[in-house]
Formats: sequence, structure tokens, C-alpha cells
Amino acid sequence: GAVVSQHPSRVICKSGTSVKIECRSLDFQATTMFWYRQFPKQSLMLMATSNEGSKATYEQGVEKDKFLINHASLTLSTLTVTSAHPEDSSFYICSAREYDRHYNLGYTFGSGTRLTVV
Amino acid sequence: KNQVEQSPQSLIILEGKNCTLQCNYTVSPFSNLRWYKQDTGRGPVSLTIMTFSENTKSNGRYTATLDADTKQSSLHITASQLSDSASYICVVSANNAGNMLTFGGGTRLMVKP
Repeated sequence: GAVVSQHPSRVICKSGTSVKIECRSLDFQATTMFWYRQFPKQSLMLMATSNEGSKATYEQGVEKDKFLINHASLTLSTLTVTSAHPEDSSFYICSAREYDRHYNLGYTFGSGTRLTVV
Repeated sequence: KNQVEQSPQSLIILEGKNCTLQCNYTVSPFSNLRWYKQDTGRGPVSLTIMTFSENTKSNGRYTATLDADTKQSSLHITASQLSDSASYICVVSANNAGNMLTFGGGTRLMVKP
């Protein structure tokens, strides 16, 4: 089945620094990827839709300049948290969309990145 | 507004017992419904996907049902194991231009020995 690799799984950074998270589709091409944020004991919240070769679409309330998304190839999307602050500490998850063998639109999730800003 | 409601929010059962998780949705137009299992600190993993015409689908000890008329789905777990402890998320996809997903709040299941 489809596999999405997300890296790093954990990162601790100092306040004011930037952190890059990578999301790769390993065995398929993903023209569309999604970035989510998840707070403890809550469900996933969509942050932005990443489209290969074009600008990302951000959800209301998500700062574009804060969360930079780059989708330069069909297998890689990156999320950069710029000038991170402790309130940015969260669990970030990516997903990629592709059709499965039954022609259903499938969403495969990465394993997530735990970001802690100190 | 598209919504997905799950119940219960949390559940504790003894190992070996069965349980059923519920999902009600108001997503329209409906495309499909998925159940995901999310272990703590990990990304969600797909258990089942059901389209409009499917009523039941099984994946090992997991059996999902769908009633498109009442817009309800359930996930039944039989002979629970300690490794079933996780959050179970119901996700409904809309049949529109973006095929966007609407996530339920999840049910946190804890299986105790």
C-alpha cells in the first residue's frame, strides 16, 4: 500500500529558530498533500493544502508567513515553522492523496512530528 | 455545515471483550467514510473505507458498518487486545471539487488486562 514518510519524528528547538518538517510519498506521486496540527486529546486540524508546483492553500486563521509550505516535487512537501515560539509546540501530521486500486481517493498519513519549542 | 460526531469520547474495556464505536455525520454530498486507528504519538492508519453502496466491511477483528440513510457508521472490535488501545477516528469525505475530509473528534479506547 501507499506509504508516506515524515521526518523528523521529534524535534526540540529554541524559541525564535525555524524548523523544517519533510513529508515524502515513497511509492506514488502525490500532487496534493495536506498538513495537519493536532493538540493533545483532540482530532486533526487541517492547516493547509499543498499543491505541487503552486502555492499552498491555507485554512482560515493559519499564518502563511509562519508556516511556510513548499511542494517542489511530486513526492516531497515541506513545512517550515518560522521563528518558532512555545505556543507552536504541537504534533504535526502530513498526508498524501492518491487513488487506490478500487479507484477510491485514498489519504495516507505520515507518522507525525512532535515539535517542542523551548 | 459538514460535521462528524463520534461517541463515546472515551472507553475502557477489559482485554478479550468486544466494543462498538459510533459515528454520525452530516457531510453532504457524501463520498466515503473511513475509520482510522491512531496510536499515541503516531499518525492515523486506515482500517476501513466504505462507499455509499457498502453496508459492512471487515478488516480482521474490525468490522465497520454504514447506514447511508441515517448517516451513521459503527466500528465493532471483537476480542479486544491490549494493542487495540488507541484513538479511533471517523473521517468522512465529501463528493465535491476538493474531496475534503471532515474529521470526527475520535474515541479514545483503552484496553486493560
